Amino acid sequence: QKEVEQDPGPLSVPEGAIVSLNCTYSNSAFQYFMWYRQYSRKGPELLMYTYSSGNKEDGRFTAQVDKSSKYISLFIRDSQPSDSATYLCAIRHGGATNKLIFGTGTLLAVQP
Amino acid sequence: EPEVTQTPSHQVTQMGQEVILRCVPISNHLYFYWYRQILGQKVEFLVSFYNNEISEKSEIFDDQFSVERPDGSNFTLKIRSTKLEDSAMYFCASREEETQYFGPGTRLLVL
Repeated sequence: QKEVEQDPGPLSVPEGAIVSLNCTYSNSAFQYFMWYRQYSRKGPELLMYTYSSGNKEDGRFTAQVDKSSKYISLFIRDSQPSDSATYLCAIRHGGATNKLIFGTGTLLAVQP
Repeated sequence: EPEVTQTPSHQVTQMGQEVILRCVPISNHLYFYWYRQILGQKVEFLVSFYNNEISEKSEIFDDQFSVERPDGSNFTLKIRSTKLEDSAMYFCASREEETQYFGPGTRLLVL
């Protein structure tokens, strides 16, 4: 079983829609869950991260972790064309190195 | 705002040639990473580096790969004898607390 799985999309929504992006993970020991955004031909940029279970909100973005089902989500409210990008979930692996294990990424297009 | 920089942005090389990819991490960061992303695939961890030595490496990071911090600012990834399957985007990252900051990447094409 893969450590992190993510629906690759693509996902196309109209401007103003609520977007839901999701990942599942396999190892219940994981504690840090990240969401990165990657624009075309750019490096990943951290949007937000969550420690353990629960929700975290930052403006139009909400990250949610459900450790009982090993499910992580990113919600985008009032989506804008500038939100069009690939969204990558990532798990911070345990140990001293803090390496990241990424999902495949979901390509999102917000249509004006 | 400080950022991770990488050079070159693109590199084309012949199979069997050596390439060196360069990165300048954010100046006060202590942990450094290389990741790669083959076209259409996920970003994969290659190696982490701390205190002038490798702290962890993946199965991908075989004897053909090496990393070095030759001075106080640069962090390099060397591929000794490139293969076709090394064609990918290579991202450098540096870390402060929980956040890894990624550079814009070097697109390597091996012909």
